[in-house]
Amino acid sequence: RKEVEQDPGPFNVPEGATVAFNCTYSNSASQSFFWYRQDCRKEPKLLMSVYSSGNEDGRFTAQLNRASQYISLLIRDSKLSDSATYLCVVNIRSGTYKYIFGTGTRLKVLA
Amino acid sequence: NAGVTQTPKFRILKIGQSMTLQCAQDMNHNYMYWYRQDPGMGLKLIYYSVGAGITDKGEVPNGYNVSRSTTEDFPLRLELAAPSQTSVYFCASSYGGSKNTGELFFGEGSRLTVL
Repeated sequence: RKEVEQDPGPFNVPEGATVAFNCTYSNSASQSFFWYRQDCRKEPKLLMSVYSSGNEDGRFTAQLNRASQYISLLIRDSKLSDSATYLCVVNIRSGTYKYIFGTGTRLKVLA
Repeated sequence: NAGVTQTPKFRILKIGQSMTLQCAQDMNHNYMYWYRQDPGMGLKLIYYSVGAGITDKGEVPNGYNVSRSTTEDFPLRLELAAPSQTSVYFCASSYGGSKNTGELFFGEGSRLTVL
């Protein structure tokens, strides 16, 4: 079983739609969780950290369920510019090197 | 403030050739990393460093070597290039320890093809 699993997609959604991605992780000792965004042929960039109580940044909402070991990302009112690959990232020990990346979920927002 | 700078951006190698991918950061980060990303796959850690003079293997270190003589630089060396090393290589840096926010700062990537 992969340490971090994501549905690769693609998710094709119309502009204005709400879309949700899930990510599951296998290591119960995982401490920190993140969503990164990667545009085609570009480097990944941090979208948002994921906190236990859930957190929101504009149109983006991240949730963490430690009991079920999954993380979610909700995007509301999708924009064409949201088209990208969304990488789920887990840090096994906070502040250390061990970041585990999921394979990513591709999102295409259609006009 | 340039962030993380990688060179070259593109390179084609013949089997058996050697080369070094350069990486430099100007953010005074103590942690640096080399990842590779194959098509449709996540990032795999090759090597990492927690400070000058300290390096260690990641998930996929075979066929690569690194050094960290300064805080700023973290070159990745391929000694005998093989087709399996065709990939996109990303260098990244971050704070370590209590200053770490979880944000990795990536370079723009180096696309390597081995023929």
